[in-house]
Amino acid sequence: EVELVQSGAEVKEPGESLKISCKGSGYSFTDYWIGWVRQMPGKGLEWMGIIYPGDSDTKYSPSFQGQVTISADKSINTAYLQWSSLKASDTAMYYCARLVVLNHFDYWGQGALVTVSS
Amino acid sequence: DIQMTQSPSSLSASVGDRVTITCQASQDISIYLNWYQQKPGKAPNLLIYTASTLETGVPSRFSGSGSGTDFTFTISNLQPEDIATYYCQQYDNLPLTFGGGTKVEIK
Repeated sequence: EVELVQSGAEVKEPGESLKISCKGSGYSFTDYWIGWVRQMPGKGLEWMGIIYPGDSDTKYSPSFQGQVTISADKSINTAYLQWSSLKASDTAMYYCARLVVLNHFDYWGQGALVTVSS
Repeated sequence: DIQMTQSPSSLSASVGDRVTITCQASQDISIYLNWYQQKPGKAPNLLIYTASTLETGVPSRFSGSGSGTDFTFTISNLQPEDIATYYCQQYDNLPLTFGGGTKVEIK
């Protein structure tokens, strides 16, 4: 059974760094892109970027380029989303999802709520 | 970026009704469009890909059609468990982009 399990909720202060994770199981992790999607409170879905764990090829949405870093460790079937300096506007739910052939997201993680507040 | 415009942003319908949501792309995306359902407090769930292909396990009351710039998503017989927000998403070009969502409520 394909499963993506994300790390837990985080509460951080502005300026702090953060790395959240997404662990895949039940399939060949290196054969599918993993994407990250942001959902701000009460708002819609925004695609942030994707990574191909097989070779770490990464593509970012222009809206998020330079704001976050997407990485993966294929030895432990885990993708990451990280910030070097959080802002209050980063407060959101973040989902990872498996992307089929740069087409559709067929499996999603449960989401990780990031709250940035002083 | 390709802009995806969904309408309406919300709707209220009765159980058993036929519900239709439209999604318009800012440029021709062929059939490279998907539909997702997001129930409150849950992750999105893929319903339809490539404009009209039903994902495995999805009830047949859900359907999609369209090509080019204009797409339609239909729930043929609205059920109480269909209360959710529905999103379209294009994959013709990166960045992948979503529509703004349509919130479906029961009247």
